[in-house]
Amino acid sequence: QVHLQESGPGLLKPSATLSLTCVVSGYSINSGYNWGWIRQPPGKGLEWIGSLHHSGNTYFNPSLKSRVTMSMDTSKNQFSLRLTSVTAADTAIYYCARRPGIYVGGLDPWGPGTLVIVSS
Amino acid sequence: QSVLTQPPSVSAAPGQRVTISCSGSSSNIGNNYVSWYQQLPGTAPKVFIYDNNQRPSGIPDRFSGSKSGTSATLGITGLQTGDEADYYCGTWDTSLNTFVFGTGTKVTVL
Repeated sequence: QVHLQESGPGLLKPSATLSLTCVVSGYSINSGYNWGWIRQPPGKGLEWIGSLHHSGNTYFNPSLKSRVTMSMDTSKNQFSLRLTSVTAADTAIYYCARRPGIYVGGLDPWGPGTLVIVSS
Repeated sequence: QSVLTQPPSVSAAPGQRVTISCSGSSSNIGNNYVSWYQQLPGTAPKVFIYDNNQRPSGIPDRFSGSKSGTSATLGITGLQTGDEADYYCGTWDTSLNTFVFGTGTKVTVL
């Protein structure tokens, strides 16, 4: 069974860079699939951040593209998200998830999520 | 602001049927597969329908998905108290070149 687990700083100050990691167990991320990040501000809906494939293909939400970087560490079977110049608007639960392809399949499974609060 | 529109809430009595609509455009629903997610309070979303009408293993057949043109629909029959949750549709948007979610619908069992 495939499991995803996010980890992150919890709390960071405005203008800082957010770094999150998603550790994958039960499946080698080098074997395929697209690996993505989604966030959800408290009490609000879901927002797609972006995804990457081991081939190097990446897709980012246009509204975040200028601040987002994603990378993959196949030796640790994990992938990461970096979001620069954070503000209070970036406060959210951040989830990682897997999807078979860009156009097909559902996001499955999801990690439990990690809450990130941006506050001075 | 989401490009996929859902009703904020739907409700029905136990045992009844509800449907949740997801309205988009030709750049998203009209030409791409739709998936649906259930999010119970305080938990991560879980896929209930993928590729318009496919149910993952373990999802009861009370849940069904369909698509017509630029709209998709999630149906839940035999409504149970455990179905109370937020439901989101999602699909790829070819114009934005990104995945997009619907605005979300809260299902309440009366």
